[in-house]
Amino acid sequence: DAGVIQSPRHEVTEMGQEVTLRCKPISGHDYLFWYRQTMMRGLELLIYFNNNVPIDDSGMPEDRFSAKMPNASFSTLKIQPSEPRDSAVYFCASSLGSRLYNEQFFGPGTRLTVL
Amino acid sequence: QQPVQSPQAVILREGEDAVINCSSSKALYSVHWYRQKHGEAPVFLMILLKGGEQKGHEKISASFNEKKQQSSLYLTASQLSYSGTYFCGTFSNTGNQFYFGTGTSLTVIP
Repeated sequence: DAGVIQSPRHEVTEMGQEVTLRCKPISGHDYLFWYRQTMMRGLELLIYFNNNVPIDDSGMPEDRFSAKMPNASFSTLKIQPSEPRDSAVYFCASSLGSRLYNEQFFGPGTRLTVL
Repeated sequence: QQPVQSPQAVILREGEDAVINCSSSKALYSVHWYRQKHGEAPVFLMILLKGGEQKGHEKISASFNEKKQQSSLYLTASQLSYSGTYFCGTFSNTGNQFYFGTGTSLTVIP
Protein backbone atom coordinates (compact mmCIF):
# COMPACT_ATOMS: atom_id res chain seq x y z
CA ASP A 1 0.00 0.00 0.00
CA ALA A 2 1.17 3.51 -0.72
CA GLY A 3 1.94 5.58 2.32
CA VAL A 4 1.44 9.29 2.73
CA ILE A 5 2.70 11.08 -0.35
CA GLN A 6 4.14 14.58 -0.26
CA SER A 7 5.34 16.81 -3.05
CA PRO A 8 7.68 18.33 -3.79
CA ARG A 9 10.37 16.63 -1.72
CA HIS A 10 12.61 19.67 -1.93
CA GLU A 11 11.71 23.27 -2.65
CA VAL A 12 14.06 26.20 -2.95
CA THR A 13 12.49 29.60 -3.43
CA GLU A 14 13.22 33.24 -2.93
CA MET A 15 11.78 35.43 -0.25
CA GLY A 16 8.41 36.84 -1.20
CA GLN A 17 7.42 33.97 -3.47
CA GLU A 18 4.37 31.81 -2.93
CA VAL A 19 5.02 28.23 -1.90
CA THR A 20 2.52 25.37 -2.11
CA LEU A 21 3.14 22.04 -0.45
CA ARG A 22 0.98 19.06 -1.29
CA CYS A 23 -0.09 15.96 0.56
CA LYS A 24 -2.02 12.82 -0.30
CA PRO A 25 -3.04 10.88 2.82
CA ILE A 26 -3.37 7.14 3.05
CA SER A 27 -6.60 6.08 1.42
CA GLY A 28 -9.43 5.79 3.92
CA HIS A 29 -7.76 7.81 6.65
CA ASP A 30 -9.98 10.52 8.07
CA TYR A 31 -7.40 12.67 9.87
CA LEU A 32 -4.70 14.73 8.22
CA PHE A 33 -1.99 16.65 10.09
CA TRP A 34 0.55 19.25 8.93
CA TYR A 35 3.78 19.62 10.93
CA ARG A 36 6.84 21.83 10.69
CA GLN A 37 10.24 20.76 12.01
CA THR A 38 13.21 23.02 12.70
CA MET A 39 16.23 22.69 14.94
CA MET A 40 15.14 25.67 17.01
CA ARG A 41 11.48 24.87 17.50
CA GLY A 42 11.40 21.10 17.11
CA LEU A 43 8.35 19.35 15.70
CA GLU A 44 5.28 21.60 15.70
CA LEU A 45 1.72 20.79 14.74
CA LEU A 46 0.42 23.52 12.44
CA ILE A 47 -3.11 22.36 11.67
CA TYR A 48 -5.14 19.19 11.40
CA PHE A 49 -8.30 18.12 9.64
CA ASN A 50 -10.96 15.55 10.34
CA ASN A 51 -13.08 14.50 7.39
CA ASN A 52 -11.70 17.50 5.45
CA VAL A 53 -12.75 19.98 8.16
CA PRO A 54 -10.07 21.91 10.07
CA ILE A 55 -10.23 20.99 13.76
CA ASP A 56 -7.37 22.97 15.26
CA ASP A 57 -5.24 25.58 13.52
CA SER A 58 -3.77 27.17 16.62
CA GLY A 59 -0.29 26.17 15.47
CA MET A 60 -0.43 28.12 12.21
CA PRO A 61 2.21 30.79 12.78
CA GLU A 62 0.58 33.71 11.00
CA ASP A 63 -1.72 34.77 8.23
CA ARG A 64 0.90 34.03 5.61
CA PHE A 65 0.15 30.35 6.18
CA SER A 66 -3.03 28.71 4.95
CA ALA A 67 -4.12 25.10 4.54
CA LYS A 68 -6.94 23.49 2.67
CA MET A 69 -8.35 20.03 2.23
CA PRO A 70 -10.78 20.13 -0.68
CA ASN A 71 -11.36 16.36 -0.59
CA ALA A 72 -10.39 13.27 1.34
CA SER A 73 -7.35 12.53 -0.81
CA PHE A 74 -5.63 15.88 -1.09
CA SER A 75 -4.43 18.74 1.06
CA THR A 76 -2.27 21.81 0.50
CA LEU A 77 -0.25 24.05 2.75
CA LYS A 78 0.44 27.44 1.25
CA ILE A 79 2.86 30.13 2.36
CA GLN A 80 2.40 33.56 0.80
CA PRO A 81 4.67 35.47 0.89
CA SER A 82 7.48 33.20 2.03
CA GLU A 83 10.27 34.37 4.34
CA PRO A 84 13.68 32.88 5.18
CA ARG A 85 12.45 31.92 8.66
CA ASP A 86 9.93 29.59 7.01
CA SER A 87 12.80 27.31 6.00
CA ALA A 88 12.07 23.94 7.58
CA VAL A 89 11.00 20.39 6.87
CA TYR A 90 7.23 20.16 6.53
CA PHE A 91 5.60 16.82 7.27
CA CYS A 92 2.13 15.64 6.49
CA ALA A 93 0.66 12.75 8.47
CA SER A 94 -2.62 10.86 8.39
CA SER A 95 -4.47 8.58 10.76
CA LEU A 96 -7.63 6.53 10.92
CA GLY A 97 -10.18 6.80 13.68
CA SER A 98 -9.83 8.69 16.94
CA ARG A 99 -6.92 11.09 16.94
CA LEU A 100 -6.43 10.39 20.64
CA TYR A 101 -5.41 6.76 20.39
CA ASN A 102 -4.45 5.97 16.84
CA GLU A 103 -1.04 6.22 15.29
CA GLN A 104 -0.13 8.85 12.77
CA PHE A 105 1.58 7.79 9.55
CA PHE A 106 4.03 10.38 8.35
CA GLY A 107 4.97 11.26 4.81
CA PRO A 108 8.63 11.70 3.81
CA GLY A 109 8.48 15.46 4.26
CA THR A 110 9.19 18.49 2.10
CA ARG A 111 12.41 20.35 2.77
CA LEU A 112 11.75 24.03 2.14
CA THR A 113 14.54 26.54 1.76
CA VAL A 114 13.65 30.21 1.42
CA LEU A 115 16.56 32.36 0.29
CA GLN B 1 2.74 23.70 26.57
CA GLN B 2 5.35 21.59 24.81
CA PRO B 3 6.19 18.54 26.94
CA VAL B 4 9.73 18.49 28.25
CA GLN B 5 11.80 15.39 27.71
CA SER B 6 14.85 14.23 29.62
CA PRO B 7 17.60 13.55 29.03
CA GLN B 8 18.21 15.68 25.94
CA ALA B 9 20.76 13.19 24.68
CA VAL B 10 22.15 9.84 25.72
CA ILE B 11 24.84 7.54 24.40
CA LEU B 12 24.62 3.83 25.09
CA ARG B 13 26.65 0.77 24.31
CA GLU B 14 24.84 -2.13 22.74
CA GLY B 15 23.01 -4.13 25.37
CA GLU B 16 22.60 -1.27 27.84
CA ASP B 17 19.26 0.05 29.05
CA ALA B 18 17.83 3.55 28.85
CA VAL B 19 14.87 5.50 30.18
CA ILE B 20 13.45 8.56 28.47
CA ASN B 21 11.07 10.77 30.40
CA CYS B 22 8.31 13.05 29.16
CA SER B 23 6.73 15.61 31.45
CA SER B 24 3.86 18.00 30.83
CA SER B 25 2.57 21.01 32.71
CA LYS B 26 -0.93 20.30 31.43
CA ALA B 27 -3.31 17.46 32.24
CA LEU B 28 -3.00 14.78 29.60
CA TYR B 29 -5.43 12.52 27.87
CA SER B 30 -3.02 10.33 25.97
CA VAL B 31 0.69 9.99 25.30
CA HIS B 32 2.19 8.93 21.99
CA TRP B 33 5.78 7.86 21.38
CA TYR B 34 7.63 8.18 18.05
CA ARG B 35 11.17 7.58 16.87
CA GLN B 36 12.82 9.58 14.11
CA LYS B 37 16.02 8.56 12.40
CA HIS B 38 18.22 11.21 10.85
CA GLY B 39 16.78 12.51 7.60
CA GLU B 40 13.62 10.45 7.91
CA ALA B 41 10.06 10.95 9.10
CA PRO B 42 8.91 10.05 12.62
CA VAL B 43 7.70 6.49 13.04
CA PHE B 44 5.09 5.43 15.56
CA LEU B 45 6.09 3.31 18.54
CA MET B 46 3.10 3.19 20.88
CA ILE B 47 0.23 5.07 22.52
CA LEU B 48 -0.79 5.11 26.16
CA LEU B 49 -4.28 6.21 26.97
CA LYS B 50 -5.11 5.35 30.54
CA GLY B 51 -3.29 6.46 33.65
CA GLY B 52 -0.88 3.81 34.79
CA GLU B 53 -1.17 1.88 31.56
CA GLN B 54 1.96 0.21 30.33
CA LYS B 55 2.43 -0.94 26.80
CA GLY B 56 5.12 -2.23 24.58
CA HIS B 57 6.88 -5.37 23.64
CA GLU B 58 9.84 -7.21 24.93
CA LYS B 59 12.49 -4.55 24.72
CA ILE B 60 10.65 -1.24 24.29
CA SER B 61 7.88 -0.38 26.70
CA ALA B 62 6.34 2.70 28.24
CA SER B 63 4.33 3.83 31.22
CA PHE B 64 1.97 6.74 31.77
CA ASN B 65 1.38 8.33 35.16
CA GLU B 66 -1.69 10.46 34.65
CA LYS B 67 -1.54 12.09 38.08
CA LYS B 68 2.04 13.21 37.62
CA GLN B 69 1.43 14.10 33.97
CA GLN B 70 4.45 12.06 33.04
CA SER B 71 5.35 9.21 30.75
CA SER B 72 8.52 7.16 30.50
CA LEU B 73 9.89 5.08 27.65
CA TYR B 74 12.03 2.08 28.58
CA LEU B 75 14.54 0.59 26.17
CA THR B 76 16.22 -2.57 27.36
CA ALA B 77 19.19 -4.41 25.88
CA SER B 78 19.59 -1.64 23.30
CA GLN B 79 20.49 -2.44 19.71
CA LEU B 80 22.23 -0.30 17.10
CA SER B 81 18.89 0.10 15.33
CA TYR B 82 17.48 1.95 18.35
CA SER B 83 19.54 5.03 17.51
CA GLY B 84 17.48 8.08 16.66
CA THR B 85 15.54 10.88 18.24
CA TYR B 86 12.60 9.92 20.42
CA PHE B 87 9.59 12.15 20.78
CA CYS B 88 6.64 11.94 23.06
CA GLY B 89 3.42 13.52 21.88
CA THR B 90 0.54 14.54 24.05
CA PHE B 91 -3.04 15.57 23.56
CA SER B 92 -4.33 18.14 26.00
CA ASN B 93 -7.21 17.15 28.23
CA THR B 94 -9.56 18.95 25.86
CA GLY B 95 -8.43 16.50 23.20
CA ASN B 96 -7.92 19.13 20.55
CA GLN B 97 -4.35 20.31 20.86
CA PHE B 98 -1.41 18.02 20.20
CA TYR B 99 2.20 18.78 21.13
CA PHE B 100 5.38 16.88 20.47
CA GLY B 101 8.00 16.93 23.21
CA THR B 102 11.44 18.49 23.02
CA GLY B 103 13.00 15.22 21.84
CA THR B 104 15.73 12.91 23.14
CA SER B 105 18.65 11.94 20.94
CA LEU B 106 19.72 8.37 21.58
CA THR B 107 22.90 6.93 20.10
CA VAL B 108 23.80 3.27 20.47
CA ILE B 109 27.42 2.39 19.83
CA PRO B 110 29.01 -1.05 19.43
